[in-house]
Amino acid sequence: NAGVTQTPKFQVLKTGQSMTLQCAQDMNHNSMYWYRQDPGMGLRLIYYSASEGTTDKGEVPNGYNVSRLNKREFSLRLESAAPSQTSVYFCASSESRAYYGYTFGSGTRLTVV
Amino acid sequence: AQTVTQSQPEMSVQEAETVTLSCTYDTSESNYYLFWYKQPPSRQMILVIRQEAYKQQNATENRFSVNFQKAAKSFSLKISDSQLGDTAMYFCAFMRGGPGNQFYFGTGTSLTVIP
Repeated sequence: NAGVTQTPKFQVLKTGQSMTLQCAQDMNHNSMYWYRQDPGMGLRLIYYSASEGTTDKGEVPNGYNVSRLNKREFSLRLESAAPSQTSVYFCASSESRAYYGYTFGSGTRLTVV
Repeated sequence: AQTVTQSQPEMSVQEAETVTLSCTYDTSESNYYLFWYKQPPSRQMILVIRQEAYKQQNATENRFSVNFQKAAKSFSLKISDSQLGDTAMYFCAFMRGGPGNQFYFGTGTSLTVIP
């Protein structure tokens, strides 16, 4: 099915461990995004990539790094996980002008213990 | 900075009835877009409806419609003939026109449709 694919769907990490969340889209979208969703806070932008080869910080970038590997793939890395990074992470993609909204992945539930 | 406020954390409605979810936003932009997203228990974010700020006519998608009051910076969602499958978290979101394409989301309203 066309859309945005995120892996893994669930992950438990120990404090200090590292991991990479993977995201791929097959809609030929230029822009990709990483959001985190926390109870009572809606979704907040971590990083985005307006086009292949570019990345920019969003509202809550601390503790994260991203890589826009190619037009299809946009990964999010936690170098040293902290309990405050326990959250649900969403990847999304859109046309260059996102006036018609994003297409979201199904999310990754990450727990840091 | 843009802010989006959803003042109703939880709501419920009887099946087949009508419910309205509230959303207000604050911006100094003149060109922007407003959206409602639905998040069922599956966690998938699904676009429900969108509105361009320059259009006076309220958007409608089947049982879903909005009441867009630009001067009041209000963007409410009306769901008619509520169905059990409408049970979900609903997020209001703002996007300014121009570069960036960043969404600003409200904190969500959890809607339960009661059989």
